[in-house]
Amino acid sequence: QVQLVESGGGVVQPGRSLRLSCAASGFTFRYYGMHWVRQTPGKGLEWLSFAAHVGNNKYYADSVKGRFTISRDDSKNSLYLDMTSLRPEDTALYFCARDGISGIDFWGQGILVTVSS
Amino acid sequence: DIQLTQSPSFLSASVGDRVTITCRASQGISSFLAWYQQKPGKVPKLLIYEASTLQSGVPSRFSGSGSGTEFTLTISSLQPEDFATYYCQQFTTFPRTFGQGTEVEIK
Repeated sequence: QVQLVESGGGVVQPGRSLRLSCAASGFTFRYYGMHWVRQTPGKGLEWLSFAAHVGNNKYYADSVKGRFTISRDDSKNSLYLDMTSLRPEDTALYFCARDGISGIDFWGQGILVTVSS
Repeated sequence: DIQLTQSPSFLSASVGDRVTITCRASQGISSFLAWYQQKPGKVPKLLIYEASTLQSGVPSRFSGSGSGTEFTLTISSLQPEDFATYYCQQFTTFPRTFGQGTEVEIK
């Protein structure tokens, strides 16, 4: 079955960096685009970034553009999110998710990132 | 960027009620809209894609309609397990924006 498992979260000071990883299994990873989405505790969903499975196309929300970088390693069935210049408002649960073309059809369980001094 | 506005943000309903949630886009998005259900402490679940296509395994009491800028999610007869927060998301352009969510609570 499809599994997406995020790792790399934790507590980090403002201005510091963190790398999130997402290990995918149960499907042919290289055939799918992948997203990162976050959710602030008690709040709504915020789409962050997308890495296409072809053409190396990547897209970002304005809130993270220039600070976050999405990447993927198809040989390792893994997706990454490199987060720099972290702010308290980046505190959230971060989800790795699979693109189903017209919807996100599988989600990881999420990993918590807390930005605090 | 395309903005999605859901209404209402909160609704209180009883088991058996017919419930309708609206999602309005700031510009036309054809039928490239998805609906998700999220229960407390759980990850979002895809209910409907391309505005009206039911994801496999989703009960038929859920339906979606609309195109362009106005879309609706309808639950024909609300069940206890349907109390959750519902989100729309557009798949026309990047960023892939979400609506702010509609919380459906038991009356």
